Amino acid sequence: KQEVTQIPAALSVPEGENLVLNCSFTDSAIYNLQWFRQDPGKGLTSLLLIQSSQREQTSGRLNASLDKSSGRSTLYIAASQPGDSATYLCAALGGGADGLTFGKGTHLIIQP
Amino acid sequence: EAGVTQSPTHLIKTRGQQATLRCSPISGHTSVYWYQQALGLGLQFLLWYDEGEERNRGNFPPRFSGRQFPNYSSELNVNALELEDSALYLCASSSFTGTENTEAFFGQGTRLTVV
Repeated sequence: KQEVTQIPAALSVPEGENLVLNCSFTDSAIYNLQWFRQDPGKGLTSLLLIQSSQREQTSGRLNASLDKSSGRSTLYIAASQPGDSATYLCAALGGGADGLTFGKGTHLIIQP
Repeated sequence: EAGVTQSPTHLIKTRGQQATLRCSPISGHTSVYWYQQALGLGLQFLLWYDEGEERNRGNFPPRFSGRQFPNYSSELNVNALELEDSALYLCASSSFTGTENTEAFFGQGTRLTVV
């Protein structure tokens, strides 16, 4: 059974800093890994998708990497802005009955 | 292209009643996932449907059930509602193209309040 862990659970940094959010998963037999953001009371917005055959994906100030062998993914946010404040979740899509498994998220606050 | 749509947006029910929540996936997507998110808590996996069949269910009582229709839309039914069922219910859809699994997209959710 796939388990996904995110570290840290919460993070507060000043505006302009670069930061890294971590995600680890127990079963490396995944199809892909996806990063989402969630604003309070809202649905989830997809940020980046990394297929199992890929090592990284980039979108604007966001860069996500995937190391299947070690069961890790990182989300790098460059030059953080107050609008980046949200909860960030990673999800691994596994085979069999695992489906789409989420971590508990990192609650990020960017201080103006 | 329309995204994942959920209805209704808000639903208020009395304890003991039944609630039906609906989800329309993105066109071409065959998988639908349901999650419960109670206030201040993380996403709790409820159900996964793919190609009309239930593939997996989370650790929820049998009064949480659902189905997927031939057009891949889905319903989540919650019977004998309890106060603790009050939560945001989120639906996501994705698909397998034969070589890759597509990006999963979420709807905006149904806010269920049980009074």
